Amino acid sequence: AQKITQTQPGMFVQEKEAVTLDCTYDTSDPSYGLFWYKQPSSGEMIFLIYQGSYDQQNATEGRYSLNFQKARKSANLVISASQLGDSAMYFCAMREGKAGGTSYGKLTFGQGTILTVHP
Amino acid sequence: EAQVTQNPRYLITVTGKKLTVTCSQNMNHEYMSWYRQDPGLGLRQIYYSMNVEVTDKGDVPEGYKVSRKEKRNFPLILESPSPNQTSLYFCASSLFGGTNTEAFFGQGTRLTVV
Repeated sequence: AQKITQTQPGMFVQEKEAVTLDCTYDTSDPSYGLFWYKQPSSGEMIFLIYQGSYDQQNATEGRYSLNFQKARKSANLVISASQLGDSAMYFCAMREGKAGGTSYGKLTFGQGTILTVHP
Repeated sequence: EAQVTQNPRYLITVTGKKLTVTCSQNMNHEYMSWYRQDPGLGLRQIYYSMNVEVTDKGDVPEGYKVSRKEKRNFPLILESPSPNQTSLYFCASSLFGGTNTEAFFGQGTRLTVV
């Protein structure tokens, strides 16, 4: 079963507008972490934002915020005031498992969403 | 500067010719791992290491080997590369493997096996 699902292969947004990138996840672990990474065309992976499963508030980092809905198992990334430099591939990822478990430390990634920002 | 360094960035090789992709981190991280990225599949874990001399298979370990003799280094070895190992490879490290620890990625190695 797919553990991380990103249903939007591609998204388009006008410069200065906000955009939401969807991510749903599946886990039976009560403790997990959710991450968003940005991959520009140059290829490197850039960490954007983190949300812990026990965090009461949605995470925010500058123009990035995470809309965390635990009951729906969704962790959507919201980018406000889009800029041309936001054009990139975006990955949602989850870290679960306790020390000693077979999945300890593993990041499970979604398929990614390509975001294009139009001027 | 805190970083994960992979080499080489680009590599074209022939089927069956052994190769090693190096990975080094300067953050004293315990947990290191290798991922491959393929279109439509995201990144998948190949191998990981919780500490020196402790390594284990990830989701797609076939055709790969790793070693962790020193804390900072975690090379990926392809003993007999095949065309289906053509991919973009990333090394990543984090302080621990806990659910709240950020992973730092190397710049990536684009491997083509012909």
